[in-house]
Amino acid sequence: KAGVTQTPRYLIKTRGQQVTLSCSPISGHRSVSWYQQTPGQGLQFLFEYFSETQRNKGNFPGRFSGRQFSNSRSEMNVSTLELGDSALYLCASSPGGPVETQYFGPGTRLLVL
Amino acid sequence: AQRVTQPEKLLSVFKGAPVELKCNYSYSGSPELFWYVQYSRQRLQLLLRHISRESIKGFTADLNKGETSFHLKKPFAQEEDSAMYYCALSVSNFNKFYFGSGTKLNVKP
Repeated sequence: KAGVTQTPRYLIKTRGQQVTLSCSPISGHRSVSWYQQTPGQGLQFLFEYFSETQRNKGNFPGRFSGRQFSNSRSEMNVSTLELGDSALYLCASSPGGPVETQYFGPGTRLLVL
Repeated sequence: AQRVTQPEKLLSVFKGAPVELKCNYSYSGSPELFWYVQYSRQRLQLLLRHISRESIKGFTADLNKGETSFHLKKPFAQEEDSAMYYCALSVSNFNKFYFGSGTKLNVKP
């Protein structure tokens, strides 16, 4: 099976702009989670989607939002970008049951200038 | 609050030496614990999870609820074990994970 794919792989934006990142899960996986990875904070959970519904949420401001489509593909949106949003954004998928192994994508590296 | 602590940012050992990567967690319930690994230029991937009690690539990890620890061990380190290792905790019924900050293992020849 093809692995988790994320697009784009790299992005440069300026403060105040918004950005949309995309994640395609492994075929058959219905759960998609998003993480922010930074050198200072490590990997932090943003949210998880299952069957087009947000099932879990981390402690991030409302500027961070997501959605999932009927084919399980997911998008994450960050509005009003801040310098501190510069990070590697990882997406992970799993079949959808409780506490499953997460299969990670390569990440999207976002730089906010 | 749930938290995962990996006290060592970098651990250097010689090939053939034993290695232990420390992981402590804070959670009052029954935790589900994982170790993920990221080799150079590769994706983050599962190494092992405590519930399966498997030994992967010679690594084992024992959950010690009394000490709230889940240390990763290998009796004889290999150069190919050099990677970034993350301990992760899940406390909900679904896929919400708390990750430690990671330990970079460097196995010297």
